[in-house]
Amino acid sequence: ETGVTQSPTHLIKTRGQQVTLRCSSQSGHNTVSWYQQALGQGPQFIFQYYREEENGRGNFPPRFSGLQFPNYSSELNVNALELDDSALYLCASSSPGTVRTDTQYFGPGTRLTVL
Amino acid sequence: GNSVTQMEGPVTLSEEAFLTINCTYTATGYPSLFWYVQYPGEGLQLLLKATKADDKGSNKGFEATYRKETTSFHLEKGSVQVSDSAVYFCALSEPNQAGTALIFGKGTTLSVSS
Repeated sequence: ETGVTQSPTHLIKTRGQQVTLRCSSQSGHNTVSWYQQALGQGPQFIFQYYREEENGRGNFPPRFSGLQFPNYSSELNVNALELDDSALYLCASSSPGTVRTDTQYFGPGTRLTVL
Repeated sequence: GNSVTQMEGPVTLSEEAFLTINCTYTATGYPSLFWYVQYPGEGLQLLLKATKADDKGSNKGFEATYRKETTSFHLEKGSVQVSDSAVYFCALSEPNQAGTALIFGKGTTLSVSS
């Protein structure tokens, strides 16, 4: 069974640019969630995709957007990058089930640096 | 809103010492509770979970009990090893439209020396 994979591993961008991060979910999982982890902090929920639809969103501006594809892989897009967007971006997938047992499995993350 | 509070780190222990990392939560309803571990340069790994009051999650010698009366989910291990050095995150699940989002604490760094 393949776990959650993310690409690229590291990325350096400049302010104002746009970036796309990619995630492949674990086999059999149809839900993908994205989190932002600033240095020294816990991850913060950005949004979740379920069956190609946005399913919930945290406190992030609209320049953070996403997609989910029919094979359940996902992209996170960030426009007009700001210095504060520098962080580790984590993708997590989960399998269908009840809300109370919806365990999320994380990928290794993409380290984004904005200069 | 829902939130998780963890004890401040870093926690520094000698090998074979007893570990406790405190975690308390604020939530409406009855969330599931989780401990995740993050090793240097890596993503998060699920350590253990509990889905209802009085449940005990356990894995690799670590344990945590879901205490509804004290809204706590403290992580314990009887004898830590150098390989347990990592950052530990307590989290709760918050239902959204058709699934759940995880709300994390700030993390507690554990450093174990031999």
